[in-house]
Amino acid sequence: ETGVTQTPRHLVMGMTNKKSLKCEQHLGHNAMYWYKQSAKKPLELMFVYSLEERVENNSVPSRFSPECPNSSHLFLHLHTLQPEDSALYLCASSPGTGPYEQYFGPGTRLTVT
Amino acid sequence: SQQGEEDPQALSIQEGENATMNCSYKTSINNLQWYRQNSGRGLVHLILIRSNEREKHSGRLRVTLDTSKKSSSLLITASRAADTASYFCATDFSSGSARQLTFGSGTQLTVLP
Repeated sequence: ETGVTQTPRHLVMGMTNKKSLKCEQHLGHNAMYWYKQSAKKPLELMFVYSLEERVENNSVPSRFSPECPNSSHLFLHLHTLQPEDSALYLCASSPGTGPYEQYFGPGTRLTVT
Repeated sequence: SQQGEEDPQALSIQEGENATMNCSYKTSINNLQWYRQNSGRGLVHLILIRSNEREKHSGRLRVTLDTSKKSSSLLITASRAADTASYFCATDFSSGSARQLTFGSGTQLTVLP
């Protein structure tokens, strides 16, 4: 256990559905991240939040919408996804956005049909 | 452009042997980190080496960093079947308003009992 939890662990959704991924960290960290991991591709950073403020958005399509209501919780809202969005979505946290290691959750395996 | 790139992509060894994985990167970094990922799970931080360090040890792990060659290596000594996993290097560099980690594609290590 890394102190970062993600729900659900598996999600199958149609292209017209709306769903949300949830991440919670119990480490007292100030920074949280969403990553996308597709088969045979490097981990892609999607969003970075520091002290609940989004500080990075790496050109992610608007069908992905993050929300960070407080420093312990991070959501990724999904809307009208495409099959190529099927991937493992990983949440991570760190004490700040400086030279720290990141602590990852177990991920949500998303399949878009 | 991608920062970290691991080599080899896959490595298969016998239990008890040493495993060496390499990582090359392209631009100046603040630090370099190694992570491990078991199949379909989140990443686990292994070790962080700063740009002014040349070598670091943690248990059976030894990491070297050569900033002149922009490369790092991870050595796992006396490997065990439980070491079977994917190993990623991640480079910490400054970009925009936050420091980011950029991950390579990983080395899939298989340790045969």
